[in-house]
Amino acid sequence: AQSVTQLGSHVSVSEGALVLLRCNYSSSVPPYLFWYVQYPNQGLQLLLKYTTGATLVKGINGFEAEFKKSETSFHLTKPSAHMSDAAEYFCAVSGRTGTASKLTFGTGTRLQVTL
Amino acid sequence: DAMVIQNPRYQVTQFGKPVTLSCSQTLNHNVMYWYQQKSSQAPKLLFHYYDKDFNNEADTPDNFQSRRPNTSFCFLDIRSPGLGDAAMYLCATSRDHVSNEQFFGPGTRLTVL
Repeated sequence: AQSVTQLGSHVSVSEGALVLLRCNYSSSVPPYLFWYVQYPNQGLQLLLKYTTGATLVKGINGFEAEFKKSETSFHLTKPSAHMSDAAEYFCAVSGRTGTASKLTFGTGTRLQVTL
Repeated sequence: DAMVIQNPRYQVTQFGKPVTLSCSQTLNHNVMYWYQQKSSQAPKLLFHYYDKDFNNEADTPDNFQSRRPNTSFCFLDIRSPGLGDAAMYLCATSRDHVSNEQFFGPGTRLTVL
């Protein structure tokens, strides 16, 4: 069984400030981990993913995340927030179900960026 | 550009009136998924197809059905929508059961009056 916990349903940062969105996972097998972003009334867009290899993963729009096995964490960061980063962010872990992979999502973190 | 398309983007139906949501993909992916996402919640997997092989999640209500007539298209049928079925419905694809990356469509927002 797999699960994801996102700490903080709402995070507010000032424009230009560091963005840190927290994600902890539980998985009985080596995990594949994902961060997705969702803008209002839109689908989910992949920001970045960790499968194997380098633990620091760089994604789109200046975001990155570090896989820390010892801490079972996959926190999302961005050095300098932009107004356009305001959105809902979902962390997800994947596992097999039947004949396909299945994503288990966290409950999401809404990022607000203020002037 | 290869993509996942959902039609319509907004759908209004009446309580108990059957409704069908459509998804198509130009990615030629084997796997197609349907998710339900209620306001301020995470997406919840309803079912998926691996090619023509249908897989239902254990807690998906019988009111929800799906069809996949070919590789490119997948439909979500809600036989008798209730007020609790109002949600965003997301379609996603992945290349196969090994690839874990899913590609999402823009969603269809369903309103039940």
